[in-house]
Amino acid sequence: KQEVTQIPAALSVPEGENLVLNCSFTDSAIYNLQWFRQDPGKGLTSLLLIQSSQREQTSGRLNASLDKSSGRSTLYIAASQPGDSATYLCAVGGGNEKLTFGTGTRLTIIP
Amino acid sequence: KAGVTQTPRYLIKTRGQQVTLSCSPISGHRSVSWYQQTPGQGLQFLFEYFSETQRNKGNFPGRFSGRQFSNSRSEMNVSTLELGDSALYLCASSSLAGGPNKNIQYFGAGTRLSVL
Repeated sequence: KQEVTQIPAALSVPEGENLVLNCSFTDSAIYNLQWFRQDPGKGLTSLLLIQSSQREQTSGRLNASLDKSSGRSTLYIAASQPGDSATYLCAVGGGNEKLTFGTGTRLTIIP
Repeated sequence: KAGVTQTPRYLIKTRGQQVTLSCSPISGHRSVSWYQQTPGQGLQFLFEYFSETQRNKGNFPGRFSGRQFSNSRSEMNVSTLELGDSALYLCASSSLAGGPNKNIQYFGAGTRLSVL
């Protein structure tokens, strides 16, 4: 059974800093990994999707990496802004549209 | 293109009642998945439908059911509601049509169900 862990559960950083969010999973036989953000009371917004054959994906200030052999993914956010404050979730796809989610990291950017 | 639409946004029910939630996927998307989000358990997969067929099911009791219509719209039903069913229910759609973005799941804003 796939288990996904995100540490830390909460993180506060000053505006402008670069930061890294971590995600680890127990079963390396994954199809893809997706990073989402969730604002309070809202649904999920897809940020980046990494297929199992890829090592990283980039979108603007965001860069996600994937190391299947070690069961880890990181989400790098450059030059953080107050608008980046949200809960960030990673989700592992098993190839059948079923996503297994981590518990999330609640990120607060301090102006 | 309109996003994933879920209705209603909020529901209040009492124990023992049943409830139906609706999800309209992004136009052209044929796969619809449902998730339950609670503070204690986080996001958990309920089921996934593709072309009106349930292809995957999570570890939930039979009180949770769903269906998909020919236009890809989906409904989920919870019968005999329990207090523990209070949660945010999220629906997601994906195209599966090919290309690098075929597996990206796009989520709706959710239906917040409160069981009293």
